Amino acid sequence: GNSVTQMEGPVTLSEEAFLTINCTYTATGYPSLFWYVQYPGEGLQLLLKATKADDKGSNKGFEATYRKETTSFHLEKGSVQVSDSAVYFCALSESSGNTPLVFGKGTRLSVIA
Amino acid sequence: DAGITQSPRYKITETGRQVTLMCHQTWSHSYMFWYRQDLGHGLRLIYYSAAADITDKGEVPDGYVVSRSKTENFPLTLESATRSQTSVYFCASRGGSRYEQYFGPGTRLTVT
Repeated sequence: GNSVTQMEGPVTLSEEAFLTINCTYTATGYPSLFWYVQYPGEGLQLLLKATKADDKGSNKGFEATYRKETTSFHLEKGSVQVSDSAVYFCALSESSGNTPLVFGKGTRLSVIA
Repeated sequence: DAGITQSPRYKITETGRQVTLMCHQTWSHSYMFWYRQDLGHGLRLIYYSAAADITDKGEVPDGYVVSRSKTENFPLTLESATRSQTSVYFCASRGGSRYEQYFGPGTRLTVT
């Protein structure tokens, strides 16, 4: 079946450090890929998405590129801020689109000043 | 207000009681979902619905009941609450097959 694997956290970085959160997936066909962010005490919010191979999703300084050859969708940010502290979830929607999103277990990021 | 709302936001109940968590969306999205979030388990899908009167089980449906008589509402009922159902519950909706899901703010349920 379809699955998403994320690097385990927590990840602790200093402000202005470079961020990478790894995400790999297993799926048949051509899934759409998503990154969601959950700030403390809130629900999940869509951060960015990519719907086909080599697409790059970007938002709020975060980027992720859909790599079909490595089945990956790693999240990156060049310079993190304290306000980026949150839990990040990678997810996929299978190509048929008729089933719920499949989520990774989430990676907690803490950014310290 | 447009969007997806959940009520109550916080609930404390006793073991064995029935409790219903409400979810309402204003977009007329066809798909709706219920998840629970627990430390160490991430998000787990309880039930989902592709349209009014169509529901299907997710990963952890035991102990829960859902209904969807109207497109905009998707209540989740715990028929006889247990301590293991203490969790944060999130409702979500999706407009179409390849679109992203939008999440509500969550309901924190404590079963004593």
